Amino acid sequence: GAGVSQSPSNKVTEKGKDVELRCDPISGHTALYWYRQSLGQGLEFLIYFQGNSAPDKSGLPSDRFSAERTGGSVSTLTIQRTQQEDSAVYLCASSFSTGGETEAFFGQGTRLTVV
Amino acid sequence: AQSVTQLDSHVSVSEGTPVLLRCNYSSSYSPSLFWYVQHPNKGLQLLLKYTSAATLVKGINGFEAEFKKSETSFHLTKPSAHMSDAAEYFCVVSFDSWGKFQFGAGTQVVVTP
Repeated sequence: GAGVSQSPSNKVTEKGKDVELRCDPISGHTALYWYRQSLGQGLEFLIYFQGNSAPDKSGLPSDRFSAERTGGSVSTLTIQRTQQEDSAVYLCASSFSTGGETEAFFGQGTRLTVV
Repeated sequence: AQSVTQLDSHVSVSEGTPVLLRCNYSSSYSPSLFWYVQHPNKGLQLLLKYTSAATLVKGINGFEAEFKKSETSFHLTKPSAHMSDAAEYFCVVSFDSWGKFQFGAGTQVVVTP
């Protein structure tokens, strides 16, 4: 596609329910990132996929968070037993190269509200 | 430890006056550096990037940034602010060959008439 696509754009869920957030990266991009943007907290790195390598999960805040990337393309971020502190905008980005010189292209984000 | 620091959380400027957003990094390696802008309820957009070529980098919308290795800085400037520049700006650093990005805390820019 023309850009990084995320769905849904907005999600309201009840505390304790599971949610799945989807990211379609730019075609051909080997790297995919998930970030979380909370009010007053800036952007927080969650997880990073690069090609077929094991993902860097060092930013996941708890074991309720998981992500997968199928076929080196689409990624799903899953949050189990959601809590109110999970409310945030979840941003996905992709980039073309393994090198640090290539910028990341961001999606519009999924705004998650846990009530 | 590697880090990126945006020195101002908020900057207020009058329309037509210069804008300066400060960013410093700490790293043992030569980083790649980026500035992104986020307008209200919009996604992140790349303004410019430094990738070890020219130290003065020109970006979109009249913005530019200068990489100063001796000062470990990558400050963003614009000679004349426009109302449409009101947004949040993020300094972003990639420290390793994997390209994992680290974001500064952001600087909120307010432009007054």
